[in-house]
Amino acid sequence: DAMVIQNPRYQVTQFGKPVTLSCSQTLNHNVMYWYQQKSSQAPKLLFHYYDKDFNNEADTPDNFQSRRPNTSFCFLDIRSPGLGDAAMYLCATSRRTGGADYEKLFFGSGTQLSVL
Amino acid sequence: KQEVTQIPAALSVPEGENLVLNCSFTDSAIYNLQWFRQDPGKGLTSLLLIQSSQREQTSGRLNASLDKSSGRSTLYIAASQPGDSATYLCAGGNNAGNMLTFGGGTRLMVKP
Repeated sequence: DAMVIQNPRYQVTQFGKPVTLSCSQTLNHNVMYWYQQKSSQAPKLLFHYYDKDFNNEADTPDNFQSRRPNTSFCFLDIRSPGLGDAAMYLCATSRRTGGADYEKLFFGSGTQLSVL
Repeated sequence: KQEVTQIPAALSVPEGENLVLNCSFTDSAIYNLQWFRQDPGKGLTSLLLIQSSQREQTSGRLNASLDKSSGRSTLYIAASQPGDSATYLCAGGNNAGNMLTFGGGTRLMVKP
């Protein structure tokens, strides 16, 4: 059974038109992450939630926002997509067990975003 | 800022061969390290997580080691199979809790 689910699998949007990507998890993990992965590149962390605490990476553009209304769901909002935002967006979850210790990350299958 | 490098970028081996993938990182303050597998167009699957207090982890034909003092980690794959063909990525976490910096990956092809 899928444990980290991302919808949709493929998303096409227009230049400048807001788009929302969704992620849900059945693992009850307290940490959720969003990564951006461009073709043939390594995943790049955009931000993560530890419970309700939001942690933004310093170089994540303001164009990217996130919401986590409850433990199970997390959303990535791109307010005004540009051509350079076309990428695979990966959601991941983990359980932080105390201090800086945590368990393995579980990734969803990703949403491939195209910007026309 | 942590930088993670993986060498080689691509590797092709015949089936049955034992192989080693390399990962190096610039900041020895790395807290823990994970190895992932990624199939084309798919998400990542965590293979092994080496916690801060550990030096290696094993799962089946896979063994990963971590040497913080030298800034290196290796993933050993025994008796490689065509099904092992994928991109393998390592990622280092810092002590702020799960801030993973990924290497560029090694694309592995195992030929029958």
